[in-house]
Amino acid sequence: SQKIEQNSEALNIQEGKTATLTCNYTNYSPAYLQWYRQDPGRGPVFLLLIRENEKEKRKERLKVTFDTTLKQSLFHITASQPADSATYLCALPSMDSSYKLIFGSGTRLLVRP
Amino acid sequence: GAGVSQTPSNKVTEKGKYVELRCDPISGHTALYWYRQSLGQGPEFLIYFQGTGAADDSGLPNDRFFAVRPEGSVSTLKIQRTERGDSAVYLCASSLNAGGSGANVLTFGAGSRLTVL
Repeated sequence: SQKIEQNSEALNIQEGKTATLTCNYTNYSPAYLQWYRQDPGRGPVFLLLIRENEKEKRKERLKVTFDTTLKQSLFHITASQPADSATYLCALPSMDSSYKLIFGSGTRLLVRP
Repeated sequence: GAGVSQTPSNKVTEKGKYVELRCDPISGHTALYWYRQSLGQGPEFLIYFQGTGAADDSGLPNDRFFAVRPEGSVSTLKIQRTERGDSAVYLCASSLNAGGSGANVLTFGAGSRLTVL
């Protein structure tokens, strides 16, 4: 079955630095991959989507890469701010149905002022 | 409304009781999803509706869980004979369309936190 792995340890960085989060997946070749942000007590919020034929996608300070050979996506936040502190989830469409999104367990990011 | 609305935001109940959780999706979104999220985990798929019908209920853990969407808009997740292991945040999401050749971007509500004592 498909498996999505995100680093369960929190990432703690200094304000202004670049945060890099990793999402690895196995047993699957998804047509796209998504990243969501989740704040405590709130639902996930969609950030970026990258398709299998795209190597990189950018949105303001966010950048996502998608390496289908390594089966890995990297999520970067440049010039990080304390307000970027949250949990970041990656999500893939299920192997058996394109409408069903399967989520990783998320990585918590803490940006120190 | 502007977003996905879920009620109640918090529900505390006793083991064995019946619970209903409500979701009001974004107007015009035909696809509606229920997910469950335990502490430190990502959302886990429960059920998906396309219009009024449950197109995929493969994620429902057992027959104590049931969901309806009678008019293709508001949905209710129903849990019978609640158990302590049912304690979690139940998230509802909607999308304009679902799957196919397009990508499926979900808009989530804030969730209903269920605590079974």
